[in-house]
Amino acid sequence: AAGVIQSPRHLIKEKRETATLKCYPIPRHDTVYWYQQGPGQDPQFLISFYEKMQSDKGSIPDRFSAQQFSDYHSELNMSSLELGDSALYFCASSMTGAGNTIYFGEGSWLTVV
Amino acid sequence: TQLLEQSPQFLSIQEGENLTVYCNSSSVFSSLQWYRQEPGEGPVLLVTVVTGGEVKKLKRLTFQFGDARKDSSLHITAAQPGDTGLYLCAGSHGSSNTGKLIFGQGTTLQVKP
Repeated sequence: AAGVIQSPRHLIKEKRETATLKCYPIPRHDTVYWYQQGPGQDPQFLISFYEKMQSDKGSIPDRFSAQQFSDYHSELNMSSLELGDSALYFCASSMTGAGNTIYFGEGSWLTVV
Repeated sequence: TQLLEQSPQFLSIQEGENLTVYCNSSSVFSSLQWYRQEPGEGPVLLVTVVTGGEVKKLKRLTFQFGDARKDSSLHITAAQPGDTGLYLCAGSHGSSNTGKLIFGQGTTLQVKP
């Protein structure tokens, strides 16, 4: 079965640079979520989109932005990167009415040096 | 403040032993999900529970949702070394299009041969 696809899997950036992460949800899933997981921490919710509109916002820094496109893929844009942004970034998707089950991608490792 | 308290956070047992992981909150969740996560990988869904008092079994794993939908437990029977990993509970308050997950701190399980 198709899963949530994230790219790139690994990314190394320098401070103050910009990074973009991409996410392709499971086909027919209408909601996309972004989470950030620091070393040894549980995933923290950043932002979500339902039918291409932002539906909820969590602890996403102002330096970050995200959007969902017409083909339902989503991108997380991170600017003015800081060392503390180094983390695993997960995209997840779900389908309305399917028991609120959320499926995660394998994550994108961002290292800021 | 951790909205979802998971315990224990670390557990090291011998192969063949039984164990229970608890997930507790003062909030009512519309659904609760259990994930297993390997280092550097995305959380993999084990089960979703949505009905108070619901019990679901997945081979040697038994999941229970509390009657009031504020707590859940994961019981593993006759643990195997292959069960080693990080187990995360995550609760959702709303419908799937705004159902961001709130994660517990995770339980790191080590099963020794």
